[in-house]
Amino acid sequence: ETGVTQSPTHLIKTRGQQVTLRCSSQSGHNTVSWYQQALGQGPQFIFQYYREEENGRGNFPPRFSGLQFPNYSSELNVNALELDDSALYLCASSLEDNTEAFFGQGTRLTVV
Amino acid sequence: TQLLEQSPQFLSIQEGENLTVYCNSSSVFSSLQWYRQEPGEGPVLLVTVVTGGEVKKLKRLTFQFGDARKDSSLHITAAQPGDTGLYLCAGFNSGGSNYKLTFGKGTLLTVNP
Repeated sequence: ETGVTQSPTHLIKTRGQQVTLRCSSQSGHNTVSWYQQALGQGPQFIFQYYREEENGRGNFPPRFSGLQFPNYSSELNVNALELDDSALYLCASSLEDNTEAFFGQGTRLTVV
Repeated sequence: TQLLEQSPQFLSIQEGENLTVYCNSSSVFSSLQWYRQEPGEGPVLLVTVVTGGEVKKLKRLTFQFGDARKDSSLHITAAQPGDTGLYLCAGFNSGGSNYKLTFGKGTLLTVNP
């Protein structure tokens, strides 16, 4: 067990709705990264947060946004959900050097 | 855009057989990591290789990083049903203040008893 916890584990939303996913990082880790894993694909980098600020972003539209809190936990928000947003959303925590990332179990989002 | 190509995409073998999974890129990475992911779970880090030509062993698993730090392989000896899972390679680069992992699509391994 890595100590990274995500909630909820499963979620069903309707197209056009908004969703918030949550992640508690492993104790002592100050960096959180979010990844999207579509079925049959490897995880794709969405963005990373370090010290409550976005520290890099992948090729995702602005309707994907995030937050990091003083306790290093993080949220991923997705607005105007589309069917293609259906995926496993993974949170990974690490120290700032990112040499080792520890993943949570993920949130399975289904958009109908 | 950095890409990692993994092969084969699917592999189904019998218990006791040996196998090798490959991870190739045209880009150089600072390090390369191998993960194993089971259905409904997040990836679990198996190993990180940093130096070109490096070989690391983890019980029956042998990981090698290419001399040019563009490719890697994972060899499993005497595979067991418990080795079943999705094996992902991920390249790590530090670009300014942005650290991210670039993942391959994975190799789905099934070991039949």
